[in-house]
Amino acid sequence: AQSVTQLGSHVSVSEGALVLLRCNYSSSVPPYLFWYVQYPNQGLQLLLKYTSAATLVKGINGFEAEFKKSETSFHLTKPSAHMSDAAEYFCAVKSTLTFGKGTMLLVSP
Amino acid sequence: DVKVTQSSRYLVKRTGEKVFLECVQDMDHENMFWYRQDPGLGLRLIYFSYDVKMKEKGDIPEGYSVSREKKERFSLILESASTNQTSMYLCASSWIGQGQIYEQYFGPGTRLTVT
Repeated sequence: AQSVTQLGSHVSVSEGALVLLRCNYSSSVPPYLFWYVQYPNQGLQLLLKYTSAATLVKGINGFEAEFKKSETSFHLTKPSAHMSDAAEYFCAVKSTLTFGKGTMLLVSP
Repeated sequence: DVKVTQSSRYLVKRTGEKVFLECVQDMDHENMFWYRQDPGLGLRLIYFSYDVKMKEKGDIPEGYSVSREKKERFSLILESASTNQTSMYLCASSWIGQGQIYEQYFGPGTRLTVT
């Protein structure tokens, strides 16, 4: 069975600081991995996805994620946080989408 | 733009009532999904459907049923609502890939309160 673990239910950063949200997966086969974002009172929208074409994946709003097979990780990063990035972020694996429990990103001025 | 719509944003029902949550997508997607979202638990799959009249149980199907009579519409039914079904319900849809995995498109959610 495939699963994902997101480390940290809440991450706080200052505006302009690096954002790092962690996701580790377990999969016996090459995984398809996704990051989604959920803004308050909205559904989820896709940030980026990994489908084995390239290990560094660029997404919307300046986010990117790097697939590291040796570490079974797919961490999400953004060089400089903006207030509008405050939201909940979900890592997911494969197409029926087993989701992580989510990480709430808090951005302070 | 893919659009997934859900019939209500907020719903309040009484214990024991039969509840229908409707979801419609406009992109001719084969797959449709129902999740519930609870704080600290993330999203959990209730049911999904890969074709009209076809359905598969997800991780937490107990207390729920689904109906897919038309390709664009997927309904979630709570036969007899209980307070532990108070939650946010999210519908999603996606294409079926031929050797490709496609992302899901989500509706805005229905926040259901059962009193």
